[in-house]
Amino acid sequence: RKEVEQDPGPFNVPEGATVAFNCTYSNSASQSFFWYRQDCRKEPKLLMSVYSSGNEDGRFTAQLNRASQYISLLIRDSKLSDSATYLCVGRDSSYKLIFGSGTRLLVRP
Amino acid sequence: EAGVTQFPSHSVIEKGQTVTLRCDPISGHDNLYWYRRVMGKEIKFLLHFVKESKQDESGMPNNRFLAERTGGTYSTLKVQPAELEDSGVYFCASSHEGTFRVEQFFGPGTRLTVL
Repeated sequence: RKEVEQDPGPFNVPEGATVAFNCTYSNSASQSFFWYRQDCRKEPKLLMSVYSSGNEDGRFTAQLNRASQYISLLIRDSKLSDSATYLCVGRDSSYKLIFGSGTRLLVRP
Repeated sequence: EAGVTQFPSHSVIEKGQTVTLRCDPISGHDNLYWYRRVMGKEIKFLLHFVKESKQDESGMPNNRFLAERTGGTYSTLKVQPAELEDSGVYFCASSHEGTFRVEQFFGPGTRLTVL
């Protein structure tokens, strides 16, 4: 079983839609969690950290459920510029990042 | 402030040749990480430096890969001899601290193609 698993998508949604991505993780990847965004042929960039209490940053909301080992990212009012691959990332006890394979989002006009 | 830089951006070499990738972390960042993404797979950790010391090299695939960070500034990753399966994108990242919550900033990557 992979340490961090995501649905690869693609998710194809119209502008203005709300879309949610889910991710599950194993015990080895469970010290802390992040969502990174990666544009085509670019480097990953941190979108937001994921806190146990859940956290929100503008149109983006991240949730963590430690009991189910499940992380989610909700994007409200999707913009064309949100089209990218969203990487669910865990961190293990040695600080290295453990990446999921990414979920591709396409926002259409 | 300059971000993480990597050189070259692309490298195409033949099987059996040697390639050296370079990473310049953000100034003042003691922690430097190498990751790579091979075709169709997720990004995977290779190793972690704290200053000039290798903190964790558990992700290095085999002894054809050699990473150095002399002086604790920039780092090099040498592949010798390169094999076809080494093709992929090699990312470098740096952070100020090596703690769980601190962001790792990624460089643009080096796209390596081994023919």
